[in-house]
Amino acid sequence: NAGVTQTPKFRILKIGQSMTLQCTQDMNHNYMYWYRQDPGMGLKLIYYSVGAGITDKGEVPNGYNVSRSTTEDFPLRLELAAPSQTSVYFCASSPPAGAGELFFGEGSRLTVL
Amino acid sequence: EDKVVQSPLSLVVHEGDTVTLNCSYEVTNFRSLLWYKQEKKAPTFLFMLTSSGIEKKSGRLSSILDKKELFSILNITATQTGDSAVYLCAVEEGSARQLTFGSGTQLTVLP
Repeated sequence: NAGVTQTPKFRILKIGQSMTLQCTQDMNHNYMYWYRQDPGMGLKLIYYSVGAGITDKGEVPNGYNVSRSTTEDFPLRLELAAPSQTSVYFCASSPPAGAGELFFGEGSRLTVL
Repeated sequence: EDKVVQSPLSLVVHEGDTVTLNCSYEVTNFRSLLWYKQEKKAPTFLFMLTSSGIEKKSGRLSSILDKKELFSILNITATQTGDSAVYLCAVEEGSARQLTFGSGTQLTVLP
């Protein structure tokens, strides 16, 4: 099984550009998440989704948008990139509560110059 | 504001030493506490704890949760250089299993 797959793994953006980080999972998990991790810090929740067509804001949603048209895919869009969005982004998926742990993708390192 | 605090922030030990990593939390809707190991890329799952006083064990690693005092510890015995990593504590809250992470403990094991 591929698990959680993120693309691209690395990207450099100029200030003001936009881009989409792709995330797909093949475990049929209803719950999916986007986290960001700044150097020396833990992960912070950007957005999450409990199923197709349902999304909600996490702790740090400003400057981002998400959509969930299918169970498998949960893309994260950055609009008008800013240096403060330089970070490593992790997508994760999860079975329902009590059924096991969250699974993380390998991360996408984004630099905004 | 909900928070998860880990200590120490960093730790340097020699192979064979035993280490104890700490995690305290204050969240409004606790469901479980999870420990992850992170080596330069995605966090990998170690333990999920939901009940107080029940030790979870995997090889040289073990962890326990105290829901009354709101903390957890992660023990690693007979450390090896391969244990060098950042250890993250996260608390699951809310109906959608959102995780709130601590800043992590950077463990370095010297040969």
